[in-house]
Amino acid sequence: GAVVSQHPSRVICKSGTSVKIECRSLDFQATTMFWYRQFPKKSLMLMATSNEGSKATYEQGVEKDKFLINHASLTLSTLTVTSAHPEDSSFYICSARGTDLSYEQYFGPGTRLTVT
Amino acid sequence: GDSVTQMEGPVTLSEEAFLTINCTYTATGYPSLFWYVQYPGEGLQLLLKATKADDKGSNKGFEATYRKETTSFHLEKGSVQVSDSAVYFCALIEPYDKVIFGPGTSLSVIP
Repeated sequence: GAVVSQHPSRVICKSGTSVKIECRSLDFQATTMFWYRQFPKKSLMLMATSNEGSKATYEQGVEKDKFLINHASLTLSTLTVTSAHPEDSSFYICSARGTDLSYEQYFGPGTRLTVT
Repeated sequence: GDSVTQMEGPVTLSEEAFLTINCTYTATGYPSLFWYVQYPGEGLQLLLKATKADDKGSNKGFEATYRKETTSFHLEKGSVQVSDSAVYFCALIEPYDKVIFGPGTSLSVIP
């Protein structure tokens, strides 16, 4: 089946620094990738949708300059949290949809970000 | 817009009890319906899916039937195990669109 990986699985960074999270589709080409944020005991909140080779589309209320998304290839999307603050601490999950998959999305294992 | 509603719980059951987690949806088109499971500290795993009305998705003893007339996709399992303790998300996807998640239902199964 389709596999999506995320790296790192956990990261701790100091306030004011930037951190990059990678999302890779391992055995299929992903034309569209999605980034979600999950708060404790809550559902997933869609942050942005990225299509390969074009700018990401951000959901209302998500700061584009703070959460930089790049989808430079059909197998890789990155989320960079810039000038991180403790309130950015969260569980970030990506998903990917393949070129021939109109419905199904495959989810990565998530990245736990802690900003101290 | 599209939405998904599900019982939030937490739900606590004894091992071997029958499980039902209700899920209803509103959609403008013809979505596919999914149940995802999230174990503590992990990402989402697809549990089962149904792509059209009257389809039944099943996996690991869990079942759900896509009921268009009642706009429902209730999750059931005849006999739960401690290892089924997790958060369950009902979701829908319209073609080439984003996932709409329900709020999640936390399930705890006690021996």
